Amino acid sequence: DAGVTQSPTHLIKTRGQHVTLRCSPISGHKSVSWYQQVLGQGPQFIFQYYEKEERGRGNFPDRFSARQFPNYSSELNVNALLLGDSALYLCASSFAEIATYEQYFGPGTRLTVT
Amino acid sequence: AQSVTQPDIHITVSEGASLELRCNYSYGATPYLFWYVQSPGQGLQLLLKYFSGDTLVQGIKGFEAEFKRSQSSFNLRKPSVHWSDAAEYFCAVGAYAAGNKLTFGGGTRVLVKP
Repeated sequence: DAGVTQSPTHLIKTRGQHVTLRCSPISGHKSVSWYQQVLGQGPQFIFQYYEKEERGRGNFPDRFSARQFPNYSSELNVNALLLGDSALYLCASSFAEIATYEQYFGPGTRLTVT
Repeated sequence: AQSVTQPDIHITVSEGASLELRCNYSYGATPYLFWYVQSPGQGLQLLLKYFSGDTLVQGIKGFEAEFKRSQSSFNLRKPSVHWSDAAEYFCAVGAYAAGNKLTFGGGTRVLVKP
């Protein structure tokens, strides 16, 4: 069975540009969460979506937005990129929206902003 | 607010020796506690979790962890380390009211000497 998939694997953007990252959850999983992992740090929670609704938001500026589609896949959008947005962006999927259900993480998208 | 501290940034251990990784958390109620492992270029894999009940939990790959409420700790242990255990380890805390949101520590990088 396929795990959580993310695309693209790597990308390089310039300051001020916009980027869209994509995530496909494990089949049957309805909850998708996004995390940002800056080099040398632990992941930081950005968003959680469940059944296409935003259920949680971390301490990130409004330049960050996300959505979940009817097939439960998700996109993370970041506008007006800053150098500090360079990080590994991780997507995690879960069957339900509570932490007692295991979250499965994808391999991440490595974003470099120059 | 939840927080997690992993006091050791790096640990070097000889193959076959025991390993203990420290984790301290801050949370008002009974937390949900997790240990994840991240190998280079890969996403996070769940090693074990604690929600309630027996404070000594067993996980995959021969790992175990003990929840100590009085010390706000959830330390990870392995009796005999294998070279394949070289990776970065993250402790995380969740909560019933927080959905799938996890708060991660800064991580401990484990190096295994032959």
